[in-house]
Amino acid sequence: DVKVTQSSRYLVKRTGEKVFLECVQDMDHENMFWYRQDPGLGLRLIYFSYDVKMKEKGDIPEGYSVSREKKERFSLILESASTNQTSMYLCASRLLGSDEQFFGPGTRLTVL
Amino acid sequence: KQEVTQIPAALSVPEGENLVLNCSFTDSAIYNLQWFRQDPGKGLTSLLLIQSSQREQTSGRLNASLDKSSGRSTLYIAASQPGDSATYLCAVTVTNTGFQKLVFGTGTRLLVSP
Repeated sequence: DVKVTQSSRYLVKRTGEKVFLECVQDMDHENMFWYRQDPGLGLRLIYFSYDVKMKEKGDIPEGYSVSREKKERFSLILESASTNQTSMYLCASRLLGSDEQFFGPGTRLTVL
Repeated sequence: KQEVTQIPAALSVPEGENLVLNCSFTDSAIYNLQWFRQDPGKGLTSLLLIQSSQREQTSGRLNASLDKSSGRSTLYIAASQPGDSATYLCAVTVTNTGFQKLVFGTGTRLLVSP
């Protein structure tokens, strides 16, 4: 079974803090994704990565950056957290050429 | 820009009923369509994937149909059970600058009462 894990289920941070959300997958997938999920807006793509050290902006990249130094790990970084970044963050991975994305359990981030 | 809409936003049914969830999308140029299930506070689990050339897919009590020309998909759940209670999301795969990405609907929250 593919397993996608996220470092925290719940996180509370202060405005202005630098926040790291970590995602690890164990199936050697090339593609990895970060989404945020908000009521009434659904899931929106923040960033994705084709492969190690590669990254592409998604639909809402503002206020975020990412890092993919190793194939199994994709990090989402909030350089200076703001209250409007309070959300559920979901990571996913996909084997190159496959149709299916596998999702992690999510991190619910609250920025106070 | 592709937009995906799901109706109804919420649905409550008694156990044993057959039910239909609806999904519509604005641009028929899709690569495939997927239905996901999300339990409260959890990630997404893929239920069914329909390629753009297919009309339907079945898995157990679930049947998903796709009418690409009209921009519609339905998820049919037969003989619903309380364990089916969850949010159901539909998503289409579109090609954007050579990369395929998912565009999600906002989901239908289903409650099946014993």
